Amino acid sequence: GQNIDQPTEMTATEGAIVQINCTYQTSGFNGLFWYQQHAGEAPTFLSYNVLDGLEEKGRFSSFLSRSKGYSYLLLKELQMKDSASYLCAVMDSNYQLIWGAGTKLIIKP
Amino acid sequence: ETGVTQTPRHLVMGMTNKKSLKCEQHLGHNAMYWYKQSAKKPLELMFVYNFKEQTENNSVPSRFSPECPNSSHLFLHLHTLQPEDSALYLCASSHGEGEAYTIYFGEGSWLTVV
Repeated sequence: GQNIDQPTEMTATEGAIVQINCTYQTSGFNGLFWYQQHAGEAPTFLSYNVLDGLEEKGRFSSFLSRSKGYSYLLLKELQMKDSASYLCAVMDSNYQLIWGAGTKLIIKP
Repeated sequence: ETGVTQTPRHLVMGMTNKKSLKCEQHLGHNAMYWYKQSAKKPLELMFVYNFKEQTENNSVPSRFSPECPNSSHLFLHLHTLQPEDSALYLCASSHGEGEAYTIYFGEGSWLTVV
C-alpha cells in the first residue's frame, strides 16, 4: 500500500529552527508537496519538490531525496504565527495525491 | 482569501436532515475536489470533477452526492448522515488533472451530525 509518515506533533521555541520529516512509500513519484494549515483554516501551499535537493523560500526550505523516499521542511527563525499543522503529500504515478496525517507544530515563547 | 469559497462554514444537522455544502472557485481552474478531514487522519479524497465531469469517486457512501454544474461551482448534497460523518469538508481546485498541479483549498465546512 501507499504510505506517508510524519511525526504527529513537535514543539519548538520562538526564534529557533525546526525540521519536520516526511517519509513515503508510493507507487511512483511525481512530486512532493508541503502545506501549512492553521487551526480552523484552509491548508495553504508552501512548496513543491520533484528533483533531489533543497528549495529555499525565505524562512522555509524543503528538501527531497527520492532514493531514500524522504523529505523535510525546515523552518528558521520561528515565529509564533508558525504554530500550525504541516501536511506532506506525494503525487503518485497516476497523479493522485497521497497525504500524511500532518504534523502539529507548537511554538513556545 | 484563497480564491476558493465554501459555505456554510459550520453546519449542524440531524441524521434525517438534507443539507448541501457549496463551493465556488475564482481561480479559473478546471478541476474541483471534495476532501474529508478528520482529526489526526490524512485527508481523504472523496470526489474529483474535471471540466464538470466526475473522474473520481473513492467508494464514498451514497448519502454523499456531489454536483458540479460548471467548472466554478461544486456542491455536496448530504442526506441521512451518520455521526461518524462529522468532520471538516474541504473543497479544492486546480488547473486540471493528470499533471503535478498545485491544488488550492477553501476554508472548509465544519459538519456536525447529531
